[in-house]
Amino acid sequence: NAGVTQTPKFRVLKTGQSMTLLCAQDMNHEYMYWYRQDPGMGLRLIHYSVGEGTTAKGEVPDGYNVSRLKKQNFLLGLESAAPSQTSVYFCASTRLAGGEQFFGPGTRLTVL
Amino acid sequence: TQLLEQSPQFLSIQEGENLTVYCNSSSVFSSLQWYRQEPGEGPVLLVTVVTGGEVKKLKRLTFQFGDARKDSSLHITAAQPGDTGLYLCAGANTNAGKSTFGDGTTLTVKP
Repeated sequence: NAGVTQTPKFRVLKTGQSMTLLCAQDMNHEYMYWYRQDPGMGLRLIHYSVGEGTTAKGEVPDGYNVSRLKKQNFLLGLESAAPSQTSVYFCASTRLAGGEQFFGPGTRLTVL
Repeated sequence: TQLLEQSPQFLSIQEGENLTVYCNSSSVFSSLQWYRQEPGEGPVLLVTVVTGGEVKKLKRLTFQFGDARKDSSLHITAAQPGDTGLYLCAGANTNAGKSTFGDGTTLTVKP
């Protein structure tokens, strides 16, 4: 099992550009999450999904959109990147609400 | 919005010392988890506590969940350099299907 994988690992964008981050899990988990982590801080929830075809807003959803068309994939989109979106983005999944979250290795995004 | 406050934010100690990290909230959580994160990697679960007053031990690590299920502590005995990392607590709201993370405690254990 690969667990949770994220693509790409690194990316540099210019202000105004768009991109999509891909998260894939092979554990048949229902719940998937997108977090951002800034230096010296914990994880802030951007968006999450409690099942295929569903999405919900987290703490910091502005400037991001998500889709969960397939159970194993959770996509995070930035329509018009801003320097404030420079961060490390982590995807996670869990089988049960409140259960152990399995994290991907992260995507380091820099917006110039 | 449920908030979790962790203290201290940074902790630097010598090998062999003991330490305690705290995680406090004004909200009640269904369960509380502790994760450890190493540089360049995602967090990895250490323990989940569910019952108020619960104490769990994992080798030299002792985790406690407050009686009111609003706070937790992590105690490390005889810290080792391999314990170095970012320790995160996370409170779960199972009804909403999500968790809230604290800002973390960065622990450095010097040999």
